[in-house]
Amino acid sequence: ETGVTQTPRHLVMGMTNKKSLKCEQHLGHNAMYWYKQSAKKPLELMFVYNFKEQTENNSVPSRFSPECPNSSHLFLHLHTLQPEDSALYLCASSQDRGEGETQYFGPGTRLLVL
Amino acid sequence: GQNIDQPTEMTATEGAIVQINCTYQTSGFNGLFWYQQHAGEAPTFLSYNVLDGLEEKGRFSSFLSRSKGYSYLLLKELQMKDSASYLCAVRDGDYKLSFGAGTTVTVRA
Repeated sequence: ETGVTQTPRHLVMGMTNKKSLKCEQHLGHNAMYWYKQSAKKPLELMFVYNFKEQTENNSVPSRFSPECPNSSHLFLHLHTLQPEDSALYLCASSQDRGEGETQYFGPGTRLLVL
Repeated sequence: GQNIDQPTEMTATEGAIVQINCTYQTSGFNGLFWYQQHAGEAPTFLSYNVLDGLEEKGRFSSFLSRSKGYSYLLLKELQMKDSASYLCAVRDGDYKLSFGAGTTVTVRA
């Protein structure tokens, strides 16, 4: 089983739709992350969960709502998105949030908002 | 916020060597990472430096100078499969990871 999986891989949605992105990690890690990657821009950290508790919200608009039911699963619920939210959404996990912890990424969900 | 700079694009010939530089300004420092990302795929971990000096791992090496806020990734004996984007990322004093915009390396035959 691949370390970090994400579904769907591609998503097209209208601005009035509600959809959810799913991430699952099979590495036994305790920390999980959502990133946004737009063309030619650095990865932007959105949310961090450590032991299922949200430890960071990087000033993300409320139209993005994360959920972490357990250490292996992370969701990103989407509603009333804007066209500028179109991007690659990457999930990552790490053993913990201490020094030297390496983050392992999933393949991402390519989102297009029409 | 953090400031991480790396060149946008580099081109090199198969079998050659390419050095990708990264400069950073962060609030505190807890390590620097290099990731490789092929188009449409996940970033994959290449190297980690927290102390000054050179870390060698096969064809790839990474160097760090904390006093200069500088790192480089050295790719030797370039292969076509090395064509990808290379991301420099720095962990700050709060263990938050910030990424550069990435350097797209194109390897020509």
